[in-house]
Amino acid sequence: GAVVSQHPSRVICKSGTSVKIECRSLDFQATTMFWYRQFPKQSLMLMATSNEGSKATYEQGVEKDKFLINHASLTLSTLTVTSAHPEDSSFYICSARGPPPTVTNEKLFFGSGTQLSVL
Amino acid sequence: GENVEQHPSTLSVQEGDSAVIKCTYSDSASNYFPWYKQELGKRPQLIIDIRSNVGEKKDQRIAVTLNKTAKHFSLHITETQPEDSAVYFCAASTGGGTSYGKLTFGQGTILTVHP
Repeated sequence: GAVVSQHPSRVICKSGTSVKIECRSLDFQATTMFWYRQFPKQSLMLMATSNEGSKATYEQGVEKDKFLINHASLTLSTLTVTSAHPEDSSFYICSARGPPPTVTNEKLFFGSGTQLSVL
Repeated sequence: GENVEQHPSTLSVQEGDSAVIKCTYSDSASNYFPWYKQELGKRPQLIIDIRSNVGEKKDQRIAVTLNKTAKHFSLHITETQPEDSAVYFCAASTGGGTSYGKLTFGQGTILTVHP
């Protein structure tokens, strides 16, 4: 099946620093990846849609200058949390749409998530 | 945009009993409805999904039903086992265009199966 790898799994950083999270599709090309944020005991909230070779589409209320997304290749998308603050502490998880040749490849496969703690 | 409501928020059952989780959605254009199981600190795992042209789908102990008219769908787990304990999320998606694959999740249900 489709495998999505996400690194790092856990990061602790000081307030004001930037953190980069990588999401890779290992055995397929993902033209579209999605970035979610999840607070403890809460649902997954879509932050942005990342399309290879174009600008990401951010959901309402998500600061694009705060959460920089780059999708420079068909297998890699990165999320950079810039000037992180304690309120940015959360579980960040990426997902990629499953590969063709299924007729409808809307299945999403998730990375293992990154627990970000900002001190 | 799409809004997905999920109930109950917590569900406690005895091993061997059935568990039912219900979701409603608002966008009649939604046509893909997956269910995910998430264990603490882990990634969501797709357990079953259904498309709008199907009313019911079953995979061993898990089944999903969809009522397009009422805009609700349900997850049924039979013969529950302690390892079924996890958080379950329903989701809805409208296929096509730039929103292809964009899922809106329900709030989640914490299922606890007691031995």
